[in-house]
Amino acid sequence: DSGVTQTPKHLITATGQRVTLRCSPRSGDLSVYWYQQSLDQGLQFLIQYYNGEERAKGNILERFSAQQFPDLHSELNLSSLELGDSALYFCASSVDGTRGTDTQYFGPGTRLTVL
Amino acid sequence: AQKITQTQPGMFVQEKEAVTLDCTYDTSDPSYGLFWYKQPSSGEMIFLIYQGSYDQQNATEGRYSLNFQKARKSANLVISASQLGDSAMYFCAMREDSYSGGSNYKLTFGKGTLLTVNP
Repeated sequence: DSGVTQTPKHLITATGQRVTLRCSPRSGDLSVYWYQQSLDQGLQFLIQYYNGEERAKGNILERFSAQQFPDLHSELNLSSLELGDSALYFCASSVDGTRGTDTQYFGPGTRLTVL
Repeated sequence: AQKITQTQPGMFVQEKEAVTLDCTYDTSDPSYGLFWYKQPSSGEMIFLIYQGSYDQQNATEGRYSLNFQKARKSANLVISASQLGDSAMYFCAMREDSYSGGSNYKLTFGKGTLLTVNP
């Protein structure tokens, strides 16, 4: 158990819908990252937050947004869902996210299926 | 150009034998971290081992060791005394230290190697 929690574990929804994925980082970690894992794209970085502020952005679609709250939990919002958004979404956390040596610990993931 | 290359889509090993999973990387950043993660069929990503670019010695964590050859830009994972529970997908990842206002604190992953341990 990495100490990172994600809910829900599975999510099945329809095209055009909106969903929210939730992540609680390890105790003491200030930085949260979101990744998407799909068969065709592999593991892709989406976005990073540090202590409530957006720090870095990757290949995140405009239909997707995220935030980190004062208690440091984070939510990833996916809207106008398409079939291609079906993937495993991971949240990871690290102590401060400002050094390359900072280890990221991953949550169990949320498997999103868009029908 | 790919930043992380794992050339072995699949590997087989006999239980109790050692196995090496290959990883090469590409970066011009002098400071970076290299990581290996394990993903069992259940889906979670489990951190195994870390190597910093300035570390003089190869990292070891129990049965896992990282064969770091900086000049060749390789960071191979060695698993000694394989166990059936080692059967999983293994990912090599890199994180570069330089922050240029972009997304350089992300982990960049390879495509993974599927390891099967045979009894």
